Amino acid sequence: DADVTQTPRNRITKTGKRIMLECSQTKGHDRMYWYRQDPGLGLRLIYYSFDVKDINKGEISDGYSVSRQAQAKFSLSLESAIPNQTALYFCATSDFVAGEQFFGPGTRLTVL
Amino acid sequence: GENVEQHPSTLSVQEGDSAVIKCTYSDSASNYFPWYKQELGKRPQLIIDIRSNVGEKKDQRIAVTLNKTAKHFSLHITETQPEDSAVYFCAARLNDYKLSFGAGTTVTVRA
Repeated sequence: DADVTQTPRNRITKTGKRIMLECSQTKGHDRMYWYRQDPGLGLRLIYYSFDVKDINKGEISDGYSVSRQAQAKFSLSLESAIPNQTALYFCATSDFVAGEQFFGPGTRLTVL
Repeated sequence: GENVEQHPSTLSVQEGDSAVIKCTYSDSASNYFPWYKQELGKRPQLIIDIRSNVGEKKDQRIAVTLNKTAKHFSLHITETQPEDSAVYFCAARLNDYKLSFGAGTTVTVRA
Protein backbone atom coordinates (compact mmCIF):
# COMPACT_ATOMS: atom_id res chain seq x y z
CA ASP A 1 0.00 0.00 0.00
CA ALA A 2 1.13 3.51 -0.73
CA ASP A 3 2.28 5.06 2.50
CA VAL A 4 4.12 7.82 4.33
CA THR A 5 7.13 6.73 6.41
CA GLN A 6 9.33 8.56 8.88
CA THR A 7 12.77 7.81 10.28
CA PRO A 8 13.78 7.63 13.02
CA ARG A 9 10.66 6.79 15.04
CA ASN A 10 12.28 7.80 18.31
CA ARG A 11 15.33 9.92 18.99
CA ILE A 12 16.99 11.23 22.13
CA THR A 13 19.60 13.91 21.64
CA LYS A 14 21.43 16.59 23.59
CA THR A 15 21.14 20.35 23.52
CA GLY A 16 23.18 21.86 20.71
CA LYS A 17 23.26 18.77 18.52
CA ARG A 18 22.20 18.81 14.89
CA ILE A 19 19.50 16.34 14.01
CA MET A 20 17.64 15.39 10.85
CA LEU A 21 14.23 13.78 10.60
CA GLU A 22 13.37 12.12 7.32
CA CYS A 23 10.09 11.56 5.54
CA SER A 24 9.42 9.44 2.47
CA GLN A 25 6.18 8.76 0.63
CA THR A 26 5.03 6.37 -2.05
CA LYS A 27 1.68 8.09 -2.62
CA GLY A 28 2.90 10.12 -5.56
CA HIS A 29 1.76 13.36 -3.90
CA ASP A 30 3.36 16.67 -4.72
CA ARG A 31 2.62 18.40 -1.43
CA MET A 32 4.45 17.59 1.78
CA TYR A 33 4.28 19.09 5.28
CA TRP A 34 6.04 18.97 8.63
CA TYR A 35 4.07 19.44 11.86
CA ARG A 36 4.91 19.26 15.52
CA GLN A 37 2.42 18.06 18.11
CA ASP A 38 2.50 19.22 21.73
CA PRO A 39 -0.11 18.33 24.36
CA GLY A 40 -2.89 20.89 24.39
CA LEU A 41 -1.59 22.70 21.32
CA GLY A 42 -2.71 20.45 18.52
CA LEU A 43 -0.71 20.16 15.32
CA ARG A 44 1.31 23.20 14.29
CA LEU A 45 2.78 23.64 10.83
CA ILE A 46 6.55 24.04 10.66
CA TYR A 47 7.27 24.00 6.90
CA TYR A 48 5.48 22.91 3.76
CA SER A 49 6.42 22.23 0.15
CA PHE A 50 4.13 22.14 -2.87
CA ASP A 51 6.79 20.73 -5.19
CA VAL A 52 10.55 20.14 -5.27
CA LYS A 53 11.34 23.79 -5.99
CA ASP A 54 8.79 25.26 -3.59
CA ILE A 55 9.52 25.55 0.16
CA ASN A 56 7.46 27.69 2.52
CA LYS A 57 7.60 28.58 6.20
CA GLY A 58 4.72 27.61 8.43
CA GLU A 59 3.64 29.20 11.69
CA ILE A 60 6.58 27.96 13.81
CA SER A 61 9.63 27.68 11.51
CA ASP A 62 12.21 29.35 13.79
CA GLY A 63 14.97 26.89 14.72
CA TYR A 64 14.10 24.50 11.89
CA SER A 65 15.09 24.06 8.26
CA VAL A 66 13.93 21.67 5.54
CA SER A 67 15.12 20.08 2.34
CA ARG A 68 12.99 18.60 -0.45
CA GLN A 69 15.41 16.18 -2.03
CA ALA A 70 12.89 14.67 -4.44
CA GLN A 71 9.15 14.53 -4.92
CA ALA A 72 9.03 11.64 -2.46
CA LYS A 73 11.43 12.93 0.22
CA PHE A 74 11.16 15.85 2.63
CA SER A 75 13.60 16.23 5.54
CA LEU A 76 13.38 18.40 8.64
CA SER A 77 16.56 19.59 10.38
CA LEU A 78 17.19 21.08 13.78
CA GLU A 79 20.54 22.86 13.41
CA SER A 80 21.11 23.23 17.16
CA ALA A 81 18.51 21.36 19.17
CA ILE A 82 17.08 22.89 22.34
CA PRO A 83 14.87 21.28 25.03
CA ASN A 84 11.69 23.09 23.99
CA GLN A 85 11.90 21.31 20.64
CA THR A 86 11.02 18.11 22.47
CA ALA A 87 7.81 17.02 20.74
CA LEU A 88 6.14 14.53 18.43
CA TYR A 89 6.86 15.38 14.79
CA PHE A 90 4.62 14.35 11.91
CA CYS A 91 5.18 14.46 8.21
CA ALA A 92 2.13 14.60 5.94
CA THR A 93 1.37 14.57 2.23
CA SER A 94 -1.52 15.62 0.05
CA ASP A 95 -2.40 15.80 -3.60
CA PHE A 96 -3.82 18.86 -5.31
CA VAL A 97 -7.26 17.58 -6.14
CA ALA A 98 -8.63 16.08 -2.92
CA GLY A 99 -6.61 18.02 -0.39
CA GLU A 100 -6.83 15.31 2.28
CA GLN A 101 -3.59 15.09 4.20
CA PHE A 102 -2.06 11.67 4.97
CA PHE A 103 0.19 11.50 8.00
CA GLY A 104 3.30 9.47 8.67
CA PRO A 105 3.66 7.48 11.91
CA GLY A 106 5.48 10.28 13.72
CA THR A 107 8.92 10.78 15.26
CA ARG A 108 9.17 11.27 19.01
CA LEU A 109 12.10 13.62 19.66
CA THR A 110 13.53 14.29 23.11
CA VAL A 111 16.16 16.99 23.57
CA LEU A 112 17.99 16.77 26.90
CA GLY B 1 -3.74 33.31 8.75
CA GLU B 2 -6.51 31.07 9.98
CA ASN B 3 -7.20 30.56 13.69
CA VAL B 4 -9.21 27.53 14.80
CA GLU B 5 -10.59 27.12 18.30
CA GLN B 6 -11.91 23.76 19.52
CA HIS B 7 -14.09 22.90 22.51
CA PRO B 8 -14.20 21.06 24.80
CA SER B 9 -10.63 19.95 25.41
CA THR B 10 -11.84 16.76 27.13
CA LEU B 11 -15.12 14.91 26.86
CA SER B 12 -16.28 11.85 28.77
CA VAL B 13 -19.44 10.06 27.64
CA GLN B 14 -21.28 6.92 28.58
CA GLU B 15 -21.18 4.19 25.96
CA GLY B 16 -24.21 4.56 23.71
CA ASP B 17 -24.57 8.30 24.30
CA SER B 18 -23.73 11.02 21.79
CA ALA B 19 -20.61 13.19 21.68
CA VAL B 20 -20.40 16.67 20.17
CA ILE B 21 -17.22 18.65 19.51
CA LYS B 22 -17.38 22.26 18.32
CA CYS B 23 -14.89 24.38 16.38
CA THR B 24 -14.83 27.98 15.28
CA TYR B 25 -12.65 29.53 12.60
CA SER B 26 -11.63 33.11 11.91
CA ASP B 27 -11.21 33.45 8.13
CA SER B 28 -14.44 33.46 6.15
CA ALA B 29 -12.47 32.39 3.04
CA SER B 30 -11.79 28.93 4.53
CA ASN B 31 -13.43 26.35 2.30
CA TYR B 32 -12.58 22.88 3.60
CA PHE B 33 -13.07 21.48 7.09
CA PRO B 34 -11.68 18.01 7.89
CA TRP B 35 -11.85 16.08 11.14
CA TYR B 36 -9.02 13.80 12.18
CA LYS B 37 -9.01 11.02 14.78
CA GLN B 38 -5.81 10.09 16.57
CA GLU B 39 -5.79 6.92 18.63
CA LEU B 40 -3.20 6.57 21.34
CA GLY B 41 0.28 6.20 19.85
CA LYS B 42 -1.02 6.38 16.30
CA ARG B 43 -1.02 8.90 13.47
CA PRO B 44 -3.97 11.25 12.85
CA GLN B 45 -6.39 9.86 10.26
CA LEU B 46 -9.19 11.61 8.42
CA ILE B 47 -12.64 10.45 9.51
CA ILE B 48 -14.90 12.93 7.77
CA ASP B 49 -14.69 16.25 5.98
CA ILE B 50 -17.01 18.93 4.66
CA ARG B 51 -16.63 21.63 2.06
CA SER B 52 -18.00 25.13 2.28
CA ASN B 53 -20.81 24.51 -0.22
CA VAL B 54 -22.39 21.83 2.01
CA GLY B 55 -24.18 22.31 5.33
CA GLU B 56 -24.14 18.77 6.67
CA LYS B 57 -22.53 15.42 5.91
CA LYS B 58 -23.07 12.02 7.51
CA ASP B 59 -21.13 8.77 7.47
CA GLN B 60 -22.73 6.04 9.57
CA ARG B 61 -22.44 7.17 13.22
CA ILE B 62 -20.54 10.38 12.55
CA ALA B 63 -21.79 13.63 11.11
CA VAL B 64 -20.40 17.10 10.59
CA THR B 65 -22.36 20.34 10.34
CA LEU B 66 -21.11 23.68 9.05
CA ASN B 67 -22.52 27.13 9.71
CA LYS B 68 -20.65 29.53 7.43
CA THR B 69 -22.44 32.61 8.73
CA ALA B 70 -21.36 31.93 12.29
CA LYS B 71 -18.02 30.42 11.18
CA HIS B 72 -18.39 27.27 13.20
CA PHE B 73 -18.56 23.56 12.51
CA SER B 74 -19.25 20.57 14.70
CA LEU B 75 -18.60 16.83 14.85
CA HIS B 76 -21.37 14.58 16.11
CA ILE B 77 -20.79 10.97 17.11
CA THR B 78 -23.89 8.94 17.91
CA GLU B 79 -24.16 5.64 19.77
CA THR B 80 -20.60 5.96 21.03
CA GLN B 81 -18.51 2.82 21.43
CA PRO B 82 -15.24 2.15 23.29
CA GLU B 83 -13.31 2.31 20.01
CA ASP B 84 -14.42 5.94 19.63
CA SER B 85 -12.06 6.85 22.50
CA ALA B 86 -9.32 8.98 20.91
CA VAL B 87 -8.17 12.55 20.36
CA TYR B 88 -10.17 14.38 17.69
CA PHE B 89 -8.84 17.38 15.78
CA CYS B 90 -10.80 19.79 13.65
CA ALA B 91 -9.07 21.83 10.96
CA ALA B 92 -9.80 24.56 8.45
CA ARG B 93 -8.16 25.21 5.13
CA LEU B 94 -7.79 28.30 3.01
CA ASN B 95 -7.21 28.21 -0.73
CA ASP B 96 -3.47 27.79 -0.22
CA TYR B 97 -4.00 24.21 1.02
CA LYS B 98 -2.51 24.81 4.46
CA LEU B 99 -4.49 23.27 7.30
CA SER B 100 -4.89 25.09 10.60
CA PHE B 101 -5.75 22.66 13.39
CA GLY B 102 -7.68 23.04 16.59
CA ALA B 103 -5.99 22.04 19.87
CA GLY B 104 -7.80 18.70 20.01
CA THR B 105 -10.49 17.03 22.11
CA THR B 106 -9.74 13.91 24.14
CA VAL B 107 -12.85 11.73 24.05
CA THR B 108 -13.26 8.94 26.58
CA VAL B 109 -16.15 6.50 26.20
CA ARG B 110 -17.05 4.88 29.53
CA ALA B 111 -18.29 1.30 29.42
